[in-house]
Amino acid sequence: QVQLQQSGPGLVKPSQTLSLTCAISGNTVSSNSVTWNWVRQSPTRGLEWLGRTYYRSKWSNDYAESVKSRITINPDTSKNQFSLQLKSVTPEDTAVYYCVEVISGIFVYWGQGTVVAVSS
Amino acid sequence: ETVMTQSPATLSVSPGERATLSCRASQSVSSNLAWYQQKPGQAPRLLISGTSTRATGIPARFSGSGSGTEFTLTISSLQSEDFAVYYCQQYNNWPWTFGQGTKVEIK
Repeated sequence: QVQLQQSGPGLVKPSQTLSLTCAISGNTVSSNSVTWNWVRQSPTRGLEWLGRTYYRSKWSNDYAESVKSRITINPDTSKNQFSLQLKSVTPEDTAVYYCVEVISGIFVYWGQGTVVAVSS
Repeated sequence: ETVMTQSPATLSVSPGERATLSCRASQSVSSNLAWYQQKPGQAPRLLISGTSTRATGIPARFSGSGSGTEFTLTISSLQSEDFAVYYCQQYNNWPWTFGQGTKVEIK
């Protein structure tokens, strides 16, 4: 059974960078059969896929067009985790953020969620 | 991108009754459609994938049907623990997209 444990601050100031980490147990970030994703949820935008990282003989990333210029998702093989960085945040980035293991397009295992507020 | 539209937004049902939730895709997603259940303060949980295949541990009262652009999630006899928000998600066309959800509430 895969478990995902999220960590990171719940409050970020406008224009700063949102940083979250997702620690993986029960699988490895280097698995070549899954992808490691970030999704956020807000009342205005619903469930919004943000991006993913995955290993298929090399590391690759895909990002949603809505955040493509601001987002970075990185794997950390030494700690078996992956991270999200979202730059230049605004109040519109206020949401619950989830890390998710996706298998063949299906969002199977979810982290517990992190409520992130963007406010000064 | 493929837009997923769920209806109704809210469904009021009495315990023991049947609930029927709909999900429509703006273009064909074949049978690559999943359903998730979300309770307050929790992450979404996978219920069904491949339109009709229940995830491990999901009771048989949950069933899914459809293909192409029209899909249905049926809860045959609502239990107290089934009152929640349900989301559909397509994984046929990139990027994967979610519907806006249907809230199933107690009538």
